[in-house]
Amino acid sequence: GQSLEQPSEVTAVEGAIVQINCTYQTSGFYGLSWYQQHDGGAPTFLSYNALDGLEETGRFSSFLSRSDSYGYLLLQELQMKDSASYFCAVRTLNQAGTALIFGKGTTLSVSS
Amino acid sequence: NAGVTQTPKFRVLKTGQSMTLLCAQDMNHEYMYWYRQDPGMGLRLIHYSVGEGTTAKGEVPDGYNVSRLKKQNFLLGLESAAPSQTSVYFCASSLDRERARDNEQFFGPGTRLTVL
Repeated sequence: GQSLEQPSEVTAVEGAIVQINCTYQTSGFYGLSWYQQHDGGAPTFLSYNALDGLEETGRFSSFLSRSDSYGYLLLQELQMKDSASYFCAVRTLNQAGTALIFGKGTTLSVSS
Repeated sequence: NAGVTQTPKFRVLKTGQSMTLLCAQDMNHEYMYWYRQDPGMGLRLIHYSVGEGTTAKGEVPDGYNVSRLKKQNFLLGLESAAPSQTSVYFCASSLDRERARDNEQFFGPGTRLTVL
């Protein structure tokens, strides 16, 4: 089967750095994505790692280690608007093409 | 450019009723997806399509049917709604694997469905 594990909740203060970990078990792995979802809204794409290493996009960075089946999302200089749910998702090969399998999400609460 | 739109935004059904959710995208994307999101469960893939006229099963396909008669539209049908299908339904679209290195999916605003 396929599974992804990520913490259910993380809390932090403004200006801090937080890391959200994701471990996965899947077959046909193509890459690891991260999505952000504000309360009740549509998920939005943050990053994608197909190869080992760190990808940086502004305040957000994402890391992947394929040999460890592990990745993380790093959020720096936290702002109140970063309070949201964050989902890791594995891109995997299904019967008709590639598809994403999502983790259950991590709720990040940023306080002042 | 509207992106991905979903119709309706809200719906209440009685057990046994049928309905169709419509998803439309204007980005000329090949791939389209239907997900459901329940509290604490994240997003689960119901069905998806890799092009006009194609459909494939995802993680939780039972009780749902889909059709992709036109490239820009992806319909999700519930033939006989059950309370277990109460959920928020999201549609998404993406470019095909070869043209989109990151396979970014663009999501619609969601349909909130309650089955009584």
